[in-house]
Amino acid sequence: GAVVSQHPSRVICKSGTSVKIECRSLDFQATTMFWYRQFPKQSLMLMATSNEGSKATYEQGVEKDKFLINHASLTLSTLTVTSAHPEDSSFYICSALAGSTDTQYFGPGTRLTVL
Amino acid sequence: QKEVEQDPGPLSVPEGAIVSLNCTYSNSAFQYFMWYRQYSRKGPELLMYTYSSGNKEDGRFTAQVDKSSKYISLFIRDSQPSDSATYLCAMKQTGANNLFFGTGTRLTVIP
Repeated sequence: GAVVSQHPSRVICKSGTSVKIECRSLDFQATTMFWYRQFPKQSLMLMATSNEGSKATYEQGVEKDKFLINHASLTLSTLTVTSAHPEDSSFYICSALAGSTDTQYFGPGTRLTVL
Repeated sequence: QKEVEQDPGPLSVPEGAIVSLNCTYSNSAFQYFMWYRQYSRKGPELLMYTYSSGNKEDGRFTAQVDKSSKYISLFIRDSQPSDSATYLCAMKQTGANNLFFGTGTRLTVIP
């Protein structure tokens, strides 16, 4: 149990375009999901906390207008990188909070490359 | 000072060795402690989850928490090449959802 999926696993886009990443909890409901960013050989950096039915809470330094988060259902959160630029290239990972164990389960990640 | 400190390694051991991975932390309010394993270009996978002080064993893995010393450990017995990955410690406070991660220790088990 406690499986989290992400789609797509890899995306390459041109500078200036927008990219949407989906995060789904497959076998449990998650009122809270998290979005992280990870640079090579570094740990995870929390970008925002996504709560079902309400606005996301962004960490300091993360532009909410650039990284749009929508948590429309108990099993789906989306992250849209708007007007992507090469510096947005990174590994984006989501996690979902399993209420039964109060534990975060992570998705497999999405590698974004902006040309 | 970071809230969670973890030696980034890299750590190389021969197959069959016992591996010891450690983290220290500064926030005495942390009550939940986790170890995640992350293979290259994959998301972290939860390995062990413990609450407060004590030991927890699961197969070849043993997690230890010493709250008095603010020190947690993960032991891997009979290490296998498939254990080669980055191991991240993480912790959080009661009632909070945010996890505080260590930087991760990169482990290589040599056949």
